[in-house]
Amino acid sequence: DVKVTQSSRYLVKRTGEKVFLECVQDMDHENMFWYRQDPGLGLRLIYFSYDVKMKEKGDIPEGYSVSREKKERFSLILESASTNQTSMYLCASSIRTGVFETQYFGPGTRLLVL
Amino acid sequence: DAKTTQPTSMDCAEGRAANLPCNHSTISGNEYVYWYRQIHSQGPQYIIHGLKNNETNEMASLIITEDRKSSTLILPHATLRDTAVYYCIVITSGTYKYIFGTGTRLKVLA
Repeated sequence: DVKVTQSSRYLVKRTGEKVFLECVQDMDHENMFWYRQDPGLGLRLIYFSYDVKMKEKGDIPEGYSVSREKKERFSLILESASTNQTSMYLCASSIRTGVFETQYFGPGTRLLVL
Repeated sequence: DAKTTQPTSMDCAEGRAANLPCNHSTISGNEYVYWYRQIHSQGPQYIIHGLKNNETNEMASLIITEDRKSSTLILPHATLRDTAVYYCIVITSGTYKYIFGTGTRLKVLA
């Protein structure tokens, strides 16, 4: 079974703090993704990575950065948290086949920025 | 990307089959139909996917019409733990881009 884990289920931070969200997968997947999910807006892709040290912007990268130093770990960084970054953050991973790439999701981190 | 249309909500009696429809009338030849579900406050869980043939796994069956314009996810014997939001999405072969809509909120009733 694919396992994607996220460092925290719930997190409360203050405006202006630097926030790190960690994601680890144990299936040797090349691709990793960060999404945020908000009511009425569905899932929106923030960043993804297709290899170590590689990253690509998704649809809403502003205010976020990412780091992928090891294949199994993908970190999302909020440089200076703001209240509009209160959301559910979901990490996913997939193997790269070039044909179809089923994404497997972690349990999510619910972030509240005060 | 092909869009999907799903009913907002459905109820199903426990033990009965739950049939969740999805319309994807603009799907193209290299696009797959995927189904995920999301139980409250958890990450989406992969269920099944298909291209044009019907598919079955330990969780569900996927029936895709011959013209591929619609599909139905079947949970053969729904349990209370199947209460969740079910998402039908269309994925282009070789792409990473997943677009989740609002899904169908399935409530399994005791």
